[in-house]
Amino acid sequence: DAKTTQPPSMDCAEGRAANLPCNHSTISGNEYVYWYRQIHSQGPQYIIHGLKNNETNEMASLIITEDRKSSTLILPHATLRDTAVYYCIVRDGPGGSNYKLTFGKGTLLTVNP
Amino acid sequence: GAVVSQHPSWVICKSGTSVKIECRSLDFQATTMFWYRQFPKQSLMLMATSNEGSKATYEQGVEKDKFLINHASLTLSTLTVTSAHPEDSSFYICSARDVLTGTGGYTFGSGTRLTVV
Repeated sequence: DAKTTQPPSMDCAEGRAANLPCNHSTISGNEYVYWYRQIHSQGPQYIIHGLKNNETNEMASLIITEDRKSSTLILPHATLRDTAVYYCIVRDGPGGSNYKLTFGKGTLLTVNP
Repeated sequence: GAVVSQHPSWVICKSGTSVKIECRSLDFQATTMFWYRQFPKQSLMLMATSNEGSKATYEQGVEKDKFLINHASLTLSTLTVTSAHPEDSSFYICSARDVLTGTGGYTFGSGTRLTVV
C-alpha cells in the first residue's frame, strides 16, 4: 500500500466543519483513497472512499486534489459524537488484488463544545 | 448494510487458558476475513488473513500456533488465543471483505477486549 501522512491530532468546534488532511504522494493510478474512523473502544467505521473525483455521502465529503497526491475529508457540521481517530488509507478498489487494509496512526479529531 | 458480529465483546481469562473469539458476517458471505490487534493508544495491526476453506496467512511476527484461525464457512471465522498470557491482553477486531458492499469492501466487528490475568 502507498503510505499516507496525517496530522496526529486536530480540534474542531461543535457545529463547525472539520477538515482532515491526508497526504498520499506515492499513490498509484489504480489505488483508491479510503477513510475510516474509530470511536474509542469500537471497531473502525467506514466513512467514504474515492478514486479521483470528489465524493459526498450522508456522513462526509472527500476532496481529492487533481494530482491525487493529497485529499481532505470534510465533516460539514461536526458533533461531539464525531470525536474519533480518523484513518486515511490508500489501496486497490473493492475488487482489486491488493486487498489488505493497513492502518497508519490516523488523526485524533476532538470536537469541542 | 453489511453487518459483522463479533463475540464476545469482552473476556477475562486466567493465564495459560485459551480463548475463542467469533466473527460472523450476518447478511453476506465473506470469503476473506481479517484479524487485527490493537494495543492501547496504538493503531490497528493486521495479524492474519483468513480465507474460507484454506489456511490463514499470518503477518510477519505473528505466531500461527498461538493464534489459531479457523474459517470453516463463508460466514464464520474464529480466532483462538492459545495459552494466553498477560501480554496477549489487547483489543482484537475482525473485518470481513464483501466486494459487493458500498463500504469500500470492508466491514468491521465491534471488537473483543481480552484481559489475561
